[in-house]
Amino acid sequence: EIVMTQSPATLSMSPGERATLSCRASQSVVSNLAWYQQKPGQAPRLLIYGASTRATGIPARFSGSGSGTEFTLTISSLQSEDFAVYYCQQYNKWLPFTFGPGTKVDIK
Amino acid sequence: QVQLVQSGAEVKKPGASVKVSCKASGYTFTDYYIHWVRQAPGQGLEWMGWINPTSGHTNYAQYFQGRVTMTRDTSLTTAYMDLSRLRSDDSALYYCARDLRNFGPFAQGHWGQGTLVTVSS
Repeated sequence: EIVMTQSPATLSMSPGERATLSCRASQSVVSNLAWYQQKPGQAPRLLIYGASTRATGIPARFSGSGSGTEFTLTISSLQSEDFAVYYCQQYNKWLPFTFGPGTKVDIK
Repeated sequence: QVQLVQSGAEVKKPGASVKVSCKASGYTFTDYYIHWVRQAPGQGLEWMGWINPTSGHTNYAQYFQGRVTMTRDTSLTTAYMDLSRLRSDDSALYYCARDLRNFGPFAQGHWGQGTLVTVSS
């Protein structure tokens, strides 16, 4: 099973700041990496797939990068609605998928 | 529009089984894999497995092997997740989710509303 780790566990930021979230896989997942956002009481929402492709309707301030084992989600200028928990997930096709433990972005 | 509507909350005793359903609409059911993901209170997301609705082929997370069974009924466009030998730490919100792209498996672009399963004696 591929183990996903995320850092930091919590990111305390102010609106307008740039947020950088990291995700690491225990072995290469090529570009089979997705990012999800989850707000309290809501189902997760897909933000990024293929490591860097924004899902439909996702604002351009969200960007993803990386390949292999190291990935980054960047939020260029935090808006009030962006304070949430972010999960990475590897979806290496025929292996079990796995999520990272999440990064909570909260208001400083 | 794509909709995934899950069955209602369940309360079960330890050792029992639970079966959660996920009714899909708004797309061709057999074209997209269905995943099951759970979330314990205050915890992160845990991927449980996927089912290919065309073939019925499944892939389960190692942790759930032997306890989970995912099935589907194509005539009802419904997927099911059966979890047996329930323990208190199986208390969680269970989500079904559909692949973003057809002929996956792939990242999950559509999610059900979640089904709360509580395991308590």
